[in-house]
Amino acid sequence: ETGVTQSPTHLIKTRGQQVTLRCSSQSGHNTVSWYQQALGQGPQFIFQYYREEENGRGNFPPRFSGLQFPNYSSELNVNALELDDSALYLCASSFASVSTDTQYFGPGTRLTVL
Amino acid sequence: GQQVMQIPQYQHVQEGEDFTTYCNSSTTLSNIQWYKQRPGGHPVFLIQLVKSGEVKKQKRLTFQFGEAKKNSSLHITATQTTDVGTYFCVYTGNQFYFGTGTSLTVIP
Repeated sequence: ETGVTQSPTHLIKTRGQQVTLRCSSQSGHNTVSWYQQALGQGPQFIFQYYREEENGRGNFPPRFSGLQFPNYSSELNVNALELDDSALYLCASSFASVSTDTQYFGPGTRLTVL
Repeated sequence: GQQVMQIPQYQHVQEGEDFTTYCNSSTTLSNIQWYKQRPGGHPVFLIQLVKSGEVKKQKRLTFQFGEAKKNSSLHITATQTTDVGTYFCVYTGNQFYFGTGTSLTVIP
């Protein structure tokens, strides 16, 4: 049991809509990272939040945005959904933002865009 | 950008056979982590390697970091059906980069 939770489990949206995904980090962790995992692919880093500030971003357009709250939970927002946004969205929490820290992944949110 | 390739992409083995996946980088890595993702599941941390030439063992799993810190391997001895999943090497720079993954199928 990793302690990282995500909601919702599954979500179906249509192209052009907006979506918000949520993540609660493991107790004691102040860093949350978000990943997109397309079917049959490895997770791709979207961005990381450390103490409520964005602390690194992957190669994703600005319509992917996020927030981290004082309790270190986090949201991922995606605007103007496209068909290619269909994927498993994973969040991972870690104790700190250092590169050697272990990440603990949540179960993911499966997003389908029609 | 930096990319880490894993080979093979897929591997089918009979239960009891050994399995090895390799992770290769064109540049020197500061450290490397290995994760396992079961079908329908999420990545789970296995090990981290930091030192050149480092070898670590976890029961039937042996992890190795190359002397030049450009490659790593994961070897599983006498595979079991519980070993099924995709194994990712992950290197860290200013973010976490997942390798392409090796999907292991174990045939009972």
